[in-house]
Amino acid sequence: TQTVSQSDAHVTVFEGDSVELRCNYSYGGSIYLSWYIQHHGHGLQFLLKYYSGNPVVQGVNGFEAEFSKSDSSFHLRKASVHWSDSAVYFCAVSALQGGRALIFGTGTTVSVSP
Amino acid sequence: NTKITQSPRYLILGRANKSLECEQHLGHNAMYWYKQSAEKPPELMFLYNLKQLIRNETVPSRFIPECPDSSKLLLHISAVDPEDSAVYFCASSPRDNNERLFFGHGTKLSVL
Repeated sequence: TQTVSQSDAHVTVFEGDSVELRCNYSYGGSIYLSWYIQHHGHGLQFLLKYYSGNPVVQGVNGFEAEFSKSDSSFHLRKASVHWSDSAVYFCAVSALQGGRALIFGTGTTVSVSP
Repeated sequence: NTKITQSPRYLILGRANKSLECEQHLGHNAMYWYKQSAEKPPELMFLYNLKQLIRNETVPSRFIPECPDSSKLLLHISAVDPEDSAVYFCASSPRDNNERLFFGHGTKLSVL
């Protein structure tokens, strides 16, 4: 069974600050890990994904994430946040085999103050 | 995102029947229905790949999906229950491996 957990329900940062959102997963097989962003009243938008290779993956709008097999983690980072980054961020895990559900974490709400 | 369109945008129902519609203009093979209750992550309801239902989650039988062609997805709801109040998202991906999903803007269902 795949599980994914996001330990921080809410994070508040100032514009220009860096931010790291934590994601930990558990699964024994080959998986995709990904991050999605959801602005209020909108659908989810894909940010980035990892399957194999370089553990640091770059996404849109300056986001990057780092995979760690030893920690079972896939944390998301941004060096300098903008007010438009205020949103809910979901980490997701999916088994590599086709037909498997994408399992989302509970989400982290990021509030960026001016 | 106008590449996946959903209708209606908002829906207020008593114990009536209604259908949600979704169309994707991305040429994707896989389409999904997700339910997102308030303050919760999206949960998969149904997955179609090349018009075939290949994963049917444990959802109440009053929800019936339909995929008339590879670009369209319907969700028929009969006799809605208050617990059905949520946002229903349609999504698509090139294949059924969940590598990257594209979401519509959702249909917000409010059950009276």
